Amino acid sequence: EDQVTQSPEALRLQEGESSSLNCSYTVSGLRGLFWYRQDPGKGPEFLFTLYSAGEEKEKERLKATLTKKESFLHITAPKPEDSATYLCAVMNSGGSNYKLTFGKGTLLTVNP
Amino acid sequence: DTEVTQTPKHLVMGMTNKKSLKCEQHMGHRAMYWYKQKAKKPPELMFVYSYEKLSINESVPSRFSPECPNSSLLNLHLHALQPEDSALYLCASSQDRGNTIYFGEGSWLTVV
Repeated sequence: EDQVTQSPEALRLQEGESSSLNCSYTVSGLRGLFWYRQDPGKGPEFLFTLYSAGEEKEKERLKATLTKKESFLHITAPKPEDSATYLCAVMNSGGSNYKLTFGKGTLLTVNP
Repeated sequence: DTEVTQTPKHLVMGMTNKKSLKCEQHMGHRAMYWYKQKAKKPPELMFVYSYEKLSINESVPSRFSPECPNSSLLNLHLHALQPEDSALYLCASSQDRGNTIYFGEGSWLTVV
């Protein structure tokens, strides 16, 4: 069974204080690892898809990296508007289900 | 801005009511999804449509009835719901099964 564990559950940063969120996963065959950002009361907003170990993607202050066991979401010089819940999910390549397995998320708060 | 549009944004219904949630996407995606999300939990898959055919039903109670009238539209018909069905209902789409999934803003459902 696919599993995704995100840590920490909650993270409080000062504006400008860089940090990383962790997503550890086990999956029999990885089709893709996905990062989403979710603001309270809204649907998840797609950030990145990573397909293979060693891959990296960047968008503004965010950079996602992938190894065979985990992914990191690095946040450089965060701003208060980066406050949100960050969700990690994996999609299994086995069979034809292609279901997403989500972690429980990391609640990020950036104080001004 | 998300290109998956959901209506209504908020819905309050009694346990004997019949209502529908609607979803529309114009990205030419051929897979569409319904997810349910409770507070502080990740989204849970309910239904998957692929090329307008129902391909996955995650053992959802029959009081939830999905419908895909065409490749751009997805409905979720609601009847005789229970208070525990109150949640954020998310519509999503992807180019095909196994591709990145994009979520709408969600419909907040309260059952009284």
